[in-house]
Amino acid sequence: DAGVTQSPTHLIKTRGQQVTLRCSPKSGHDTVSWYQQALGQGPQFIFQYYEEEERQRGNFPDRFSGHQFPNYSSELNVNALLLGDSALYLCASSLAQGTDTQYFGPGTRLTVL
Amino acid sequence: AQSVTQPDIHITVSEGASLELRCNYSYGATPYLFWYVQSPGQGLQLLLKYFSGDTLVQGIKGFEAEFKRSQSSFNLRKPSVHWSDAAEYFCAVGPYNQGGKLIFGQGTELSVKP
Repeated sequence: DAGVTQSPTHLIKTRGQQVTLRCSPKSGHDTVSWYQQALGQGPQFIFQYYEEEERQRGNFPDRFSGHQFPNYSSELNVNALLLGDSALYLCASSLAQGTDTQYFGPGTRLTVL
Repeated sequence: AQSVTQPDIHITVSEGASLELRCNYSYGATPYLFWYVQSPGQGLQLLLKYFSGDTLVQGIKGFEAEFKRSQSSFNLRKPSVHWSDAAEYFCAVGPYNQGGKLIFGQGTELSVKP
């Protein structure tokens, strides 16, 4: 049973650039959430996608956007990168119904220079 | 305000000793509580979760946690720590319907002395 997968593993960008991160949910899951984990901090919720729509959003600027595809995979896009966007970006998948747990992927380490 | 507090940033225990990691939460609705573990450079692995029922819950790798509503706490324990338990531990709270976000604490880094 494949778990949550994310790509790429690592990414280096410069300020002002744009980046796209990808996530494939655990088999059978239909909901994808994205979290940002800065160094030495706990993960912070960015947003959640279900049925190809953003269902809930955390306190992040509009530079952060996402998309969910019909096969439930998801992308996180960040525009106009800032140094402060350097972090580990975690994707978590779950089922919309029931009491299932959010299962996390290994993350994408983004470094902004 | 919804929040999770893990008072201990770093804990060091000897291998074979017992462990308790503290977690306090503030949440308006009935909380769904979790403990996750993160090894260096890795994602988060679920250790255990609690919503209702027996306030002492068992998890993987020999971990357990006790929910105390009166103290708004959900402390993680292990009777005997192994060197492989060295990692970062995160407490989190979320809504029961799993449709909402998880709020994480800052984490506690566990070091294990041989």
